Amino acid sequence: LAKTTQPISMDSYEGQEVNITCSHNNIATNDYITWYQQFPSQGPRFIIQGYKTKVTNEVASLFIPADRKSSTLSLPRVSLSDTAVYYCLVGEAFGNEKLTFGTGTRLTIIP
Amino acid sequence: GAVVSQHPSRVICKSGTSVKIECRSLDFQATTMFWYRQFPKQSLMLMATSNEGSKATYEQGVEKDKFLINHASLTLSTLTVTSAHPEDSSFYICSAREDGWTYEQYFGPGTRLTVT
Repeated sequence: LAKTTQPISMDSYEGQEVNITCSHNNIATNDYITWYQQFPSQGPRFIIQGYKTKVTNEVASLFIPADRKSSTLSLPRVSLSDTAVYYCLVGEAFGNEKLTFGTGTRLTIIP
Repeated sequence: GAVVSQHPSRVICKSGTSVKIECRSLDFQATTMFWYRQFPKQSLMLMATSNEGSKATYEQGVEKDKFLINHASLTLSTLTVTSAHPEDSSFYICSAREDGWTYEQYFGPGTRLTVT
């Protein structure tokens, strides 16, 4: 699995858009990019997955440049409940293989 | 959506005893389940891959005789921490991979183990 690099932590104010970038320089042709959210003392929750360009769902957008060596998770108008750790993973689609979690980004939303 | 449950959610045991943690896929079948361990302020670390009807595959550095995994049905995998010690205190999380063409993984809520 390609190794990922994310900022350790980020702070943002309520109502703002938050962008978390993940680097994955060694991503393979068959690899997808998946983001998970984890609250304290809970299991991770799937947020979004993409292969290239842009993917959007009801909670987030995922931007992937043409070289796919990085990706950006965008959370629109964050609220206090978005305070969590966000993990970027790279691998086959929908966890077709075992998942390797990196350090994640600890996002703190400030009122 | 697909739901994965874990039981118990919290357990406290004395050093030297064994503890069993259950992971169930409630509304789907899962030939493959995964067990993770997470220490405070750290990321999830994969311990083993559990396959129904066959032996589990353990990650490097994980003692298979200490962390016994049994995947007896398509909806249940168990992790038994044998002869637990305080250093085994951690948050144990399972995930289940749904059988079918998507093979999506769903995570359980986790089990907090405290060994005194």
